Amino acid sequence: GAGVSQSPSNKVTEKGKDVELRCDPISGHTALYWYRQSLGQGLEFLIYFQGNSAPDKSGLPSDRFSAERTGGSVSTLTIQRTQQEDSAVYLCASSEEGGYGYTFGSGTRLTVV
Amino acid sequence: GDSVTQMEGPVTLSEEAFLTINCTYTATGYPSLFWYVQYPGEGLQLLLKATKADDKGSNKGFEATYRKETTSFHLEKGSVQVSDSAVYFCALRSNFGNEKLTFGTGTRLTIIP
Repeated sequence: GAGVSQSPSNKVTEKGKDVELRCDPISGHTALYWYRQSLGQGLEFLIYFQGNSAPDKSGLPSDRFSAERTGGSVSTLTIQRTQQEDSAVYLCASSEEGGYGYTFGSGTRLTVV
Repeated sequence: GDSVTQMEGPVTLSEEAFLTINCTYTATGYPSLFWYVQYPGEGLQLLLKATKADDKGSNKGFEATYRKETTSFHLEKGSVQVSDSAVYFCALRSNFGNEKLTFGTGTRLTIIP
């Protein structure tokens, strides 16, 4: 596609439920990143994929968070047993291998009530 | 680890005023430096970048110079417009390890007519 596509754009969920967030990167971009932007905070790195492998998962805040990428393309970020502190905008970005610039998606705004 | 410190906002200026948003960094080696912008209701966009010391990145009238001696990458614009109102993020990418970006907390800029 022309840009990085994320879905859903908004998600409201009850505390304790599981959610899945999807990212469809730009075709041909081998690197994919997930970030979290909380109100009044900067962007917090979550996980980085190169192809289907994740060489850096250091930013995942707890074992309730997991992510996968299949076919070197679409990625899914899963949050299990959501908590109110998980409420944030989850951003996905992709880049060419060795490329300097990321292209960001518009994000998924997650609200846990 | 790597870190980016940005001038805290919010910043409010009159149209045609001179803008400076300070950014300093801590990193090993020789990182690449970036400014990203997030306009209201939109995703993050790369504004400008510099990949080595003394490089100047520029775009849309904005400039920033990579100063290794002061570990800084301050964003400047000579005459701001209302359309520049946005949140600005300074970021770095270390040249060691993976390609993740480390972001500052962002500075909200509002330009009044």
